[in-house]
Amino acid sequence: GENVEQHPSTLSVQEGDSAVIKCTYSDSASNYFPWYKQELGKRPQLIIDIRSNVGEKKDQRIAVTLNKTAKHFSLHITETQPEDSAVYFCAASRYGQNFVFGPGTRLSVLP
Amino acid sequence: GAGVSQSPSNKVTEKGKDVELRCDPISGHTALYWYRQSLGQGLEFLIYFQGNSAPDKSGLPSDRFSAERTGGSVSTLTIQRTQQEDSAVYLCASSTPWGQPMNTEAFFGQGTRLTVV
Repeated sequence: GENVEQHPSTLSVQEGDSAVIKCTYSDSASNYFPWYKQELGKRPQLIIDIRSNVGEKKDQRIAVTLNKTAKHFSLHITETQPEDSAVYFCAASRYGQNFVFGPGTRLSVLP
Repeated sequence: GAGVSQSPSNKVTEKGKDVELRCDPISGHTALYWYRQSLGQGLEFLIYFQGNSAPDKSGLPSDRFSAERTGGSVSTLTIQRTQQEDSAVYLCASSTPWGQPMNTEAFFGQGTRLTVV
């Protein structure tokens, strides 16, 4: 079955700096890769996703890149703000089914 | 409703009692997932339902845990003879297959916080 690893487990950055979180997956048949943000005491919510037919996707300050050959994908947050502080989870799935999540990254943006 | 709904939002139970947690997925979503999240930890997969297929129960931690999904919609997670280590937030999510008109993402409910005392 699919296995998703995520690094780092914790990340602290200064406000305004960039943050990068990396994930690797094992199942070459996975073709949908969402990223979720979970604020303290709240449910995980999708922030960006990418399908395997593209290599990069951007939405304002966040972007995701995918390397299918190496089976890894990354989340990039630029110009970080305090409200970006949260736990971020990556996931891999086939056709949007049977999501397997990474263990999470706790991001702290320091003022 | 428009989102995934879970009930109760909080449950305090005595050790040894049985509990039932309910999840109402988004209408039309064929896939339903249960996850457990201990304080400050990640999303521990419990069980996955997809349409009429046999559920993937590989994540259930013991035979005290069971889940069913009636009519392809509402799901109930049952924990028998609860133990203190069962204390966690239980999250339900639902999604729809690729190619359907709705989004592919998994939508999460707000969770049920279970405390076993």
